[in-house]
Amino acid sequence: DTGVSQNPRHKITKRGQNVTFRCDPISEHNRLYWYRQTLGQGPEFLTYFQNEAQLEKSRLLSDRFSAERPKGSFSTLEIQRTEQGDSAMYLCASSSTSGGSGEQFFGPGTRLTVL
Amino acid sequence: QKEVEQDPGPLSVPEGAIVSLNCTYSNSAFQYFMWYRQYSRKGPELLMYTYSSGNKEDGRFTAQVDKSSKYISLFIRDSQPSDSATYLCAMSATYNQFYFGTGTSLTVIP
Repeated sequence: DTGVSQNPRHKITKRGQNVTFRCDPISEHNRLYWYRQTLGQGPEFLTYFQNEAQLEKSRLLSDRFSAERPKGSFSTLEIQRTEQGDSAMYLCASSSTSGGSGEQFFGPGTRLTVL
Repeated sequence: QKEVEQDPGPLSVPEGAIVSLNCTYSNSAFQYFMWYRQYSRKGPELLMYTYSSGNKEDGRFTAQVDKSSKYISLFIRDSQPSDSATYLCAMSATYNQFYFGTGTSLTVIP
């Protein structure tokens, strides 16, 4: 078990470009979460998947953001037409519904800088 | 009103001190509570998980939940310089969405 992994670790892009991030959860975990964190703030919830179903999405999430988890394993988060305000750390977390108590484990994050 | 309130600090203590970190919340439906430690530019690391009310101890860490007061605490005994980090509380009513505090920055001085 290597934990939650995220790629890339860093991404620098120009305003208006599209970016895509990938998250690989812990292998037996069927719950997957995306968060955004800016400096001096706690993680802000973006969206939640249970298996391949997207069950929750933040009302604050712009239409430029979309997430998928097509086979219930890895997930991607895409941001279209990036804006400077999208600069943040994007965190992925996973947990399990079976057996365990639901603790949520985070990946190392993808740091996005929009120029 | 924010769902979760956490004093951002910064908090500075001498090595060996007992540290008390706290969060308050407004949603009485919250029943899952977690504490995370986050080093600069890293992902949060899970420290403690508590379901409903009560205390939980793990080594030098003790988590307390008082649902009647909507108040949770994390105590760190015999604090070490390696404990210097930002501590985040997180909570949820269901597993669908978790709410985080802003984090408390802790420095343990050798």
